[in-house]
Amino acid sequence: QKEVEQDPGPLSVPEGAIVSLNCTYSNSAFQYFMWYRQYSRKGPELLMYTYSSGNKEDGRFTAQVDKSSKYISLFIRDSQPSDSATYLCAMSANGNNRLAFGKGNQVVVIP
Amino acid sequence: KAGVTQTPRYLIKTRGQQVTLSCSPISGHRSVSWYQQTPGQGLQFLFEYFSETQRNKGNFPGRFSGRQFSNSRSEMNVSTLELGDSALYLCASTGSNLVNNEQFFGPGTRLTVL
Repeated sequence: QKEVEQDPGPLSVPEGAIVSLNCTYSNSAFQYFMWYRQYSRKGPELLMYTYSSGNKEDGRFTAQVDKSSKYISLFIRDSQPSDSATYLCAMSANGNNRLAFGKGNQVVVIP
Repeated sequence: KAGVTQTPRYLIKTRGQQVTLSCSPISGHRSVSWYQQTPGQGLQFLFEYFSETQRNKGNFPGRFSGRQFSNSRSEMNVSTLELGDSALYLCASTGSNLVNNEQFFGPGTRLTVL
């Protein structure tokens, strides 16, 4: 079983829709949870960074962490064509900078 | 503030050769981590350097090695290249000597092995 599972299927949504992405994980030591956005031929860009369980909101982005279910989510409200990118979840254990990544979701927002 | 820079951006090598990639972290950042990104395996951790010492290592063969200099710049080396080493190699820097801080990625070096 992989440490982090992210269904890598592409996702196409109309502009203005809510995008919902999620990851599950198996390593209960993970305490820090991140979402990165990666445009084609670019490096990953940090979008959201959360510690332990709970919700965090930043503009149109909301990250949720449910440690009891080992499940994290990212929601993008009022999606824009500029949100078209690959979204990667990542996580790390306390005291360790090694990031374990999901495979990523390619999101296409159609104008 | 300049971001993480990586050179070169693109490389083409043949099997059996070796390659050295370079990463300059954000000014003031002392931790540098390296990752390999492939379509099949996604992003996988190679190793992390802090204050010129390897602090953590992933599950890659010994052909993959790295080092860090006193100015925090880091290099990674891959010897005896194989076709499967074709990938995007990314480095990330972290701003504190503590762990679990935000990591910022460079644009990557795309290595093609023929």
